[in-house]
Amino acid sequence: EVQLVESGGVLVQPGRSMKLSCAASGFTFSSFPMAWVRQAPTKGLEWVATISTSGGSTYYRDSVKGRFTISRDNAKSTLYLQMDSLRSEDTATYYCTTITEGYFDYWGQGVMVTVSS
Amino acid sequence: NIVMTQSPKSMSISVGDRVTMNCKASQNVYNNIAWYQQKPGQSPKLLIYYASNRYNGVPDRFTGSGYGTDFTLTINSVQAEDAAFYYCQRIYNSPWTFGGGTKLELK
Repeated sequence: EVQLVESGGVLVQPGRSMKLSCAASGFTFSSFPMAWVRQAPTKGLEWVATISTSGGSTYYRDSVKGRFTISRDNAKSTLYLQMDSLRSEDTATYYCTTITEGYFDYWGQGVMVTVSS
Repeated sequence: NIVMTQSPKSMSISVGDRVTMNCKASQNVYNNIAWYQQKPGQSPKLLIYYASNRYNGVPDRFTGSGYGTDFTLTINSVQAEDAAFYYCQRIYNSPWTFGGGTKLELK
């Protein structure tokens, strides 16, 4: 059974950093591109970042470019999202997802990140 | 950047009705569209990929159609458990943009 378990979400002050993790199991992690998607309270879904199977290619939405870094450790079957210079508008539930042939099929349960002073 | 516009923003339907919701891309995305269902407090679930392919285990009352810039998700004979938000998404390559969502409520 595919499982994606996010962790690392907390309350953080604006301008500070946070790193999210997503532990994967039940599939060959290294064979799938992965992504982070977020959802602000009462709002819709927003794609954040994508990483290729090897980690050699990464893609970001404009509003997080230069502040967020997506990475992966295939030996540990874990996906990461390093978030720097956090802003209040980054407050959201962050989901990790698998990408199969271009679409997002498996999703984690999400982790809440609150950016507030 | 591609903008995905969903309509209507919300709809109230009776059990057994047929419902159609729309997704319009600001430029040609060919058939590179997916549809997701999200219920309150839950993660999104994939329903349809590449515009018209039903994902594993998705009931056949869910049908996707369209090509280019205009796409439709149809639910035949809506069930109570279909009350949810529905999102379209441009897939296949960057940016994987989502639409704003359609809220489906049951009367």
